[in-house]
Amino acid sequence: SAVISQKPSRDICQRGTSLTIQCQVDSQVTMMFWYRQQPGQSLTLIATANQGSEATYESGFVIDKFPISRPNLTFSTLTVSNMSPEDSSIYLCSVEGRQETQYFGPGTRLLVL
Amino acid sequence: SQQGEEDPQALSIQEGENATMNCSYKTSINNLQWYRQNSGRGLVHLILIRSNEREKHSGRLRVTLDTSKKSSSLLITASRAADTASYFCATDVWFADKLIFGTGTRLQVFP
Repeated sequence: SAVISQKPSRDICQRGTSLTIQCQVDSQVTMMFWYRQQPGQSLTLIATANQGSEATYESGFVIDKFPISRPNLTFSTLTVSNMSPEDSSIYLCSVEGRQETQYFGPGTRLLVL
Repeated sequence: SQQGEEDPQALSIQEGENATMNCSYKTSINNLQWYRQNSGRGLVHLILIRSNEREKHSGRLRVTLDTSKKSSSLLITASRAADTASYFCATDVWFADKLIFGTGTRLQVFP
């Protein structure tokens, strides 16, 4: 299984600012995924990030708000831009595992004031 | 929304009892997976059942799948306090290369 770390683990930010979340994997993977989990809710996929290509965003999410970088096969960043209180969520990265499963990072808890 | 529905939303039981949670989905799938999440942390994969399978076991877990009804159930037998968590079903949709998560069931197991 893959070991995934995320930084920061949590943060409190002021509205209008931006936060970049890092996701590091201990092995090379092709596909990485970014999810948002709003308080008490399920996971919603933001985008799929493949190394060497532009991220593919899901309906309702745009690159200007959630720019993603994928510079190599073990690392990705998600930026939450121009934040508002509605962006307060847990942000999770995951990678493809065996047999179409996914391994998840521990998540980044974001509170926007 | 393509998101699956799970019921119950919350379930409280005593240690030793069985816990059953159900998942319904909307589209054709390659497989259906169940994940556990402890206290808003990362998710852990529990079990996967393919679209051509009807039942699968793993330790104290039993999963069923009915593709004609687009539904699945997860049974945890002889539950323990450590099973307290949120449980999510996730469907691997045809030609989508992504998982769609259900709404989740919060399970509380009392010692």
